[in-house]
Amino acid sequence: EVQLVESGGGLVQPGGSLRLSCAASGFTFSIYAMTWVRQAPGKGLEWVSSISYSGSSTYYADSVKGRFTISRDNSKNTLYLQMNSLRAEDTAVYYCAKGITMIRGVITTYYYYMDVWGKGTTVTVSS
Amino acid sequence: EIVLTQSPGTLSLSPGERATLSCRASQSVSSSYLAWYQQKPGQAPGLLIYGASSRATGIPDRFSGTGSGTDFTLTISRLEPGDFAVYYCQQYGSSPYTFGQGTKLEIK
Repeated sequence: EVQLVESGGGLVQPGGSLRLSCAASGFTFSIYAMTWVRQAPGKGLEWVSSISYSGSSTYYADSVKGRFTISRDNSKNTLYLQMNSLRAEDTAVYYCAKGITMIRGVITTYYYYMDVWGKGTTVTVSS
Repeated sequence: EIVLTQSPGTLSLSPGERATLSCRASQSVSSSYLAWYQQKPGQAPGLLIYGASSRATGIPDRFSGTGSGTDFTLTISRLEPGDFAVYYCQQYGSSPYTFGQGTKLEIK
């Protein structure tokens, strides 16, 4: 079964740090781009960050650029989000999600829409 | 950054009716890299449509996506009770891979 399980959320004071993890299973993690999406209480989805299958390319929303770092360990089938200088507006449920890889002959294309999502982990930034 | 604007914000319909949801982009979405997701209360989102018009695995043909450039539409024919949820569009043609603000489909 394809599965993503997030962990590492919790209560943190403004200015503090947290590291989220996302454990992947049931698929070949190393060939898929991965993404973090968050949802503030009662609000819509916000794309946060994506990383290529190898980790060589990373992308960030302006709202987190310079404060958050996405990374992955393909040997451990795990995705990470290091969050520093946290603010109240970072309070949200954080989802990790799997991208799409299409292989047609010798051509491989990686897409940043998501077909598998974890259940999310809650981050609360408050004093 | 491509801004996606969804309309209406809330759509009130009855089971059996047809729903039409709009997603308009502030600039052209390259290669029609536009996806639609459904989210029910307390659940993670689920993929419905990718490439503007291709249904994801297991999605019934009551769901259809159309559009290109800056205007995209999700149509749900013959609404069923389980279809009442929030729907989001996302463009994945260029980073940042933004979402629309969502359309809530509620039972009338």
